[in-house]
Amino acid sequence: ELKVEQNPLFLSMQEGKNYTIYCNYSTTSDRLYWYRQDPGKSLESLFVLLSNGAVKQEGRLMASLDTKARLSTLHITAAVHDLSATYFCAVDINRDDKIIFGKGTRLHILP
Amino acid sequence: KAGVTQTPRYLIKTRGQQVTLSCSPISGHRSVSWYQQTPGQGLQFLFEYFSETQRNKGNFPGRFSGRQFSNSRSEMNVSTLELGDSALYLCASSLVRGDYEQYFGPGTRLTVT
Repeated sequence: ELKVEQNPLFLSMQEGKNYTIYCNYSTTSDRLYWYRQDPGKSLESLFVLLSNGAVKQEGRLMASLDTKARLSTLHITAAVHDLSATYFCAVDINRDDKIIFGKGTRLHILP
Repeated sequence: KAGVTQTPRYLIKTRGQQVTLSCSPISGHRSVSWYQQTPGQGLQFLFEYFSETQRNKGNFPGRFSGRQFSNSRSEMNVSTLELGDSALYLCASSLVRGDYEQYFGPGTRLTVT
């Protein structure tokens, strides 16, 4: 059974600091997603990583994928309050739209 | 281009009742997936429809069912509601099955009392 594990699950950090969220998954996959969810809202797609070594960046967020280690990271650079949200990683192992999500990392950035 | 729409947005039902939720995918999208989100279990895959056929099903009891129409719109039905069915139900659409771009709707918040 595919497992997707994120850590940490909760993260409180100061503005201006850097931090990394880790996502491990248990079965080979070349599709790794990162989503953002604000309270009471739907999921916003941040990144889709499709190959080993893929790196994508958008503003203060950068995601990478190591398919051999079955690990993806979401790095936050110089955090700002607006990045406070819950971040999910998810994996689609069979390319069949059945996406398995991690439990999410609730990020709280203190001003 | 309009996004994924879900109706209703909020719903309150009583235990034992049944409910039908609707999802209209982005125009031209043919694949629709459903997810349940609860504080305890997180986001869980319910099922996926493509070309009016269920292609994948998650680990949910038979009380949860769905269908897809020829215009790609999808409905999911939950019968004999239980308190634990209270959740945010999200649907996502993609152009074709296996397309890596999935777009999520705003969700339907179901409360069972």
